[in-house]
Amino acid sequence: SQKIEQNSEALNIQEGKTATLTCNYTNYSPAYLQWYRQDPGRGPVFLLLIRENEKEKRKERLKVTFDTTLKQSLFHITASQPADSATYLCALDDTGGFKTIFGAGTRLFVKA
Amino acid sequence: GAVVSQHPSRVICKSGTSVKIECRSLDFQATTMFWYRQFPKQSLMLMATSNEGSKATYEQGVEKDKFLINHASLTLSTLTVTSAHPEDSSFYICSALGTSGRNISSTDTQYFGPGTRLTVL
Repeated sequence: SQKIEQNSEALNIQEGKTATLTCNYTNYSPAYLQWYRQDPGRGPVFLLLIRENEKEKRKERLKVTFDTTLKQSLFHITASQPADSATYLCALDDTGGFKTIFGAGTRLFVKA
Repeated sequence: GAVVSQHPSRVICKSGTSVKIECRSLDFQATTMFWYRQFPKQSLMLMATSNEGSKATYEQGVEKDKFLINHASLTLSTLTVTSAHPEDSSFYICSALGTSGRNISSTDTQYFGPGTRLTVL
């Protein structure tokens, strides 16, 4: 069956450290993968998109990698801040489709 | 730019009543909008794709007669939950794709609304 898996356990890190979140997928062949931030009671906010032919993408303190062999994407936040505390969702396009499929997200807590 | 609003942000209603949720793209036109539902600690589940001027496309398992979608203009889509029951209580989120006359592709970024918390008593 098709699955998108993100670590359901919350990630707790100290301010200034790098947070690394993982997204694994099964039985999908996405052309791209996206990462979103979602705060409690709010809609997701788009952060980054990485295509299947890209290994890595950066935006300010954010870095995303995409390994189509491992079927995995890693999302890094460097020099993390308490304001980075949120749930981070990965999403991919359904094979050949027009729909975006979301993972359940990983909750990140950054302690001051 | 690319702001999407939803109204209301919260609604509490009695079982059996109908609730309408509005999704508006404030500073761009959206020929395509999506409606999602999210239960606590779960992923966003796509309910339907709303296309301006045509009937919505519903995902498998979503009752189109229960969740009525109307996309009457390029900036407004509405979701009406008819005869709501407690199991319909959830967080409903819309998103919109911008348009410039080009064909919409799956790589277009979705801009999400802030969500509507529906509680059915």
